Amino acid sequence: GAVVSQHPSRVICKSGTSVKIECRSLDFQATTMFWYRQFPKQSLMLMATSNEGSKATYEQGVEKDKFLINHASLTLSTLTVTSAHPEDSSFYICSATSLSGGNSPLHFGNGTRLTVT
Amino acid sequence: GQQLNQSPQSMFIQEGEDVSMNCTSSSIFNTWLWYKQDPGEGPVLLIALYKAGELTSNGRLTAQFGITRKDSFLNISASIPSDVGIYFCAGQLYRRDDKIIFGKGTRLHILP
Repeated sequence: GAVVSQHPSRVICKSGTSVKIECRSLDFQATTMFWYRQFPKQSLMLMATSNEGSKATYEQGVEKDKFLINHASLTLSTLTVTSAHPEDSSFYICSATSLSGGNSPLHFGNGTRLTVT
Repeated sequence: GQQLNQSPQSMFIQEGEDVSMNCTSSSIFNTWLWYKQDPGEGPVLLIALYKAGELTSNGRLTAQFGITRKDSFLNISASIPSDVGIYFCAGQLYRRDDKIIFGKGTRLHILP
């Protein structure tokens, strides 16, 4: 079945630094990738929608200059948390889907636990 | 905006019992999805529903897409310890690349 790989699984960084998270679709071409954020014991909150070759669409309240998204190819999207602060500590999860080949339900990566110290 | 109301928030059951959880929405969705999330991992798709009235099974799991397109339920029969986790319903509006709205989750606990 469809597999989405996310890297790294865990990252600890110092306040003020930037962190890049990668999301790859391993056996299909992902025309659309989504980035979610999840706080402890809460649901997944959509941050942005990323389409290959175009600018990401951010949800209301999400700072596009802080959370930079690049979807450079049909198999890779990256989320860069710039100038990270402790309040950015969270579980970040990507997902991917494709418009081709019949119904294609959304598959998720295994998430990245970001801790900003 | 669209919201999904998922209930119950948490359940405490005995091993072997059946489980039922549901989601309702103020808006119509054309796709309903059910996911399970274990601690520290991403959600794993359990069942996808694409047609109003559709009833789909995956092993001990059964889910239905409500006729009104505004609700869905998930049943788990004869629960086992590995069923512990958080279950999320999710709705998608139209196309496969539409964003997905998640419910707040149902946390399933199995008592020893």
